[in-house]
Amino acid sequence: EVQLVESGGGLVQPGGSLRVSCAASGFTFSSFEMNWVRQAPGKGLEWVSHISSSGNTMYYADSVKGRFTISRDNAKNSLYLQMDSLRGEDTAVYYCARTYCSGTSCYRDSWGQGTLVTVSS
Amino acid sequence: QSVLTQPPSVSAAPGQKVTISCSASSSNIGINYVSWYQQLPGTAPKVLIYDNNKRPSGIPDRFSGSKSGTSATLGITGLQTGDEADYYCGAWSSSLSVYVFGTGTKVTVL
Repeated sequence: EVQLVESGGGLVQPGGSLRVSCAASGFTFSSFEMNWVRQAPGKGLEWVSHISSSGNTMYYADSVKGRFTISRDNAKNSLYLQMDSLRGEDTAVYYCARTYCSGTSCYRDSWGQGTLVTVSS
Repeated sequence: QSVLTQPPSVSAAPGQKVTISCSASSSNIGINYVSWYQQLPGTAPKVLIYDNNKRPSGIPDRFSGSKSGTSATLGITGLQTGDEADYYCGAWSSSLSVYVFGTGTKVTVL
């Protein structure tokens, strides 16, 4: 069974930093591209970042570019999101999601339960 | 800012059908394949449709998807109280190199 478990959320002051993690199990982590998606309280889904299976290619939403860094450790089956220069509008539940590809088809098929990041003084 | 627009809400009685539209703001954002996600209250999203009209295993055929030009549609037939949720379309934009979600639609079963 595919499992994605996020951790590391919490309260951080504006301008501060935080790293959230996602522990993967039940599949060959190194073969899959991964994503971070967030959801502010009472708001819709917002894609944050994507990383290739090898970790060599990353993409970011404009809202976090230059402040957030996605990375992975395939030996530890773990995905990370380093968040710097945090702002109030970064307050959200952060989900990790797996990208499943079959041929030319790709979609976000498995999601974790999310970890809450609150940016406030 | 989302480039995929959905109606804020739709509703229907149990057993009826609803459709949810997802319209791209521009014809040149390079979206070819749309997915649809269901988010029940307090839970993580779950994929219902991928590649415009394909269902992952375990998703009932009450859920269907289609795409024409820059618009996609999710259909739900035989509406059940358990279908009350938020629904989002999503797609990779090859021209922007970002993934975009729709604005979200709340489905209410009357």
